[in-house]
Amino acid sequence: KAGVTQTPRYLIKTRGQQVTLSCSPISGHRSVSWYQQTPGQGLQFLFEYFSETQRNKGNFPGRFSGRQFSNSRSEMNVSTLELGDSALYLCASSLVSGGGETQYFGPGTRLLVL
Amino acid sequence: AQTVTQSQPEMSVQEAETVTLSCTYDTSENNYYLFWYKQPPSRQMILVIRQEAYKQQNATENRFSVNFQKAAKSFSLKISDSQLGDTAMYFCAFMKSRGGNQFYFGTGTSLTVIP
Repeated sequence: KAGVTQTPRYLIKTRGQQVTLSCSPISGHRSVSWYQQTPGQGLQFLFEYFSETQRNKGNFPGRFSGRQFSNSRSEMNVSTLELGDSALYLCASSLVSGGGETQYFGPGTRLLVL
Repeated sequence: AQTVTQSQPEMSVQEAETVTLSCTYDTSENNYYLFWYKQPPSRQMILVIRQEAYKQQNATENRFSVNFQKAAKSFSLKISDSQLGDTAMYFCAFMKSRGGNQFYFGTGTSLTVIP
């Protein structure tokens, strides 16, 4: 099976712009979670989608949003980019939501905001 | 709230030796899951080992094993016969048994295996 894929892998944006990142989960996986990884804050949970519904949300401002499509692919959007949004954004997929399911991570999208 | 603490930012070990990475956590939950993930340089995060809190037996996966002390809220990772490919950032993660898939990660331990 193909692993979790994320596009694009690298992205450079300027402050105030918006960006959309995409995540394709492993075939058959219905849960997709997003994480932000920075040197200062480490790995922080953004949100989880399961069967097209947001299941969980982390402590991020409303500029961060996401959605999931019927084929389980997920997108996250960041509007009005700030310098502090520069980070590696990871998505992870699992078969179901809850119950300690193992999550499989993608390679990440590295976002640089100038 | 759940917190995960990894008190060793960096560690090194000689090839073929054994090393133990520490992790402690704080939670009021009784049922939960603990994980160790490995993130090699510029490569994606992969699962090393998983432990269910209701199981007293420590999980093992080949050269990797854990020492799970539920009362002490401790979850250390032991790597035996260290190999160069073990060089990576190691993250300890906590997940509640209910409420979806949300990891609470520690800050990571950077492990270098020295030839």
